[in-house]
Amino acid sequence: DIVVTQSPDSLAVSLGERATINCKSSQSVLRSANNKNYLGWYQQKPGQPPKLLIYWASTRESGVPDRFSGSGSGTDFTLTISSLQAEDVAVYYCQQYHATPHTFGRGTKLEI
Amino acid sequence: QVQLVQSGAEVRKPGASVKVSCKTSGYTCNGCFLNWVRQAPGQGLEWMGYINPNTGGTQYAQKFQRSVSMTWDTTITTAYMEVTSLTSDDTALYYCARGSSNCWECAASWGQGTLVTVSS
Repeated sequence: DIVVTQSPDSLAVSLGERATINCKSSQSVLRSANNKNYLGWYQQKPGQPPKLLIYWASTRESGVPDRFSGSGSGTDFTLTISSLQAEDVAVYYCQQYHATPHTFGRGTKLEI
Repeated sequence: QVQLVQSGAEVRKPGASVKVSCKTSGYTCNGCFLNWVRQAPGQGLEWMGYINPNTGGTQYAQKFQRSVSMTWDTTITTAYMEVTSLTSDDTALYYCARGSSNCWECAASWGQGTLVTVSS
């Protein structure tokens, strides 16, 4: 199985500041046939289902604010929130869907 | 508008089975995978498996191979997941989540979740 490791476990960032969450996979999730990284980022707020923010490692889902961005390739990835807003308080998960099981990271709790 | 609506909360005794439904609507992508993900109380997300509604093909995480069965009813565009031989460790919120035309494999849209409680 591909192991997905997120860091840090929790993060406190001031309003308006940048937040950075890292995700590392134990194997490359880059598929050479289409040059796509099979990695997504999700946001989960209390009492709600997760919400897809980023897919293919760097493609923002429709309706997601442009302060959210994803980067990286192969085994190392980053979710960046450029200017933290109060509504961004949540737990963030990365997930690889390159190979089954489509493993999630353990989550990063983001606080103000 | 894409929508996934799950069945209501369930309570079962250890050793029993439970079947959760996920009614989908608004999809034009027949090949978009339908994933099942669970979340134990206060814990993270655990991918259980998916079904390809186009082919009926399934993939399960190894730990669920013997206890989980995923099916799809094309006539009513509804997915089902049955979990057998329940234990207290299966107490969790169960989500269905489907891919999109941009990403078949992603969990792009989610149901509201179904709480399954296993207790004697």
